[in-house]
Amino acid sequence: EDKVVQSPLSLVVHEGDTVTLNCSYEVTNFRSLLWYKQEKKAPTFLFMLTSSGIEKKSGRLSSILDKKELFSILNITATQTGDSAVYLCAVDDGSGNTGKLIFGQGTTLQVKP
Amino acid sequence: DTGVSQNPRHKITKRGQNVTFRCDPISEHNRLYWYRQTLGQGPEFLTYFQNEAQLEKSRLLSDRFSAERPKGSFSTLEIQRTEQGDSAMYLCASSPSRLAGGINEQFFGPGTRLTVL
Repeated sequence: EDKVVQSPLSLVVHEGDTVTLNCSYEVTNFRSLLWYKQEKKAPTFLFMLTSSGIEKKSGRLSSILDKKELFSILNITATQTGDSAVYLCAVDDGSGNTGKLIFGQGTTLQVKP
Repeated sequence: DTGVSQNPRHKITKRGQNVTFRCDPISEHNRLYWYRQTLGQGPEFLTYFQNEAQLEKSRLLSDRFSAERPKGSFSTLEIQRTEQGDSAMYLCASSPSRLAGGINEQFFGPGTRLTVL
């Protein structure tokens, strides 16, 4: 059965710390991996990764994919209280060309002042 | 606001009642998805529409659940004879045709939170 597993499930840090969130997957028809941020409402898109070893960056956030070892990491540097959220990893299941996403359970990040 | 919208945002109902949720996707998006999210979990795929055609349904979608997208624009999700286990956040997402560069960034609506008493 296809699955996406995130770790840790929760994390508490202080402002200014750097965090690394992990996502591993076993999906038969992998097409791409996506990261979302969810703050008590709709998930908002962060990154989409399709190729191994190419880092995507947006401000203090960056992400990379390893298709050989079947994992991705999301890094957040110089964390701020506004980064507190649930971070979701999802894999685009290419079977049937529907584009449905298989989500991990999420990592809850709390950034303390 | 040109994002995905969902109504109602919250719904409280008694066990056994029927409920219907609506999703209005981004207008130029022909792909529409429904997901269900329970507390502490990531969203789980329920069903997928391409235009008005329902092309995939998860086994999570029991026969009490039905979804439609009659004109290929808005979609409705109906749950009949609700059970307490149906309590969850129901999320709708839309994305453009995969022909447009192969990108499958899905844009999510705010969700409808269902509580079944």
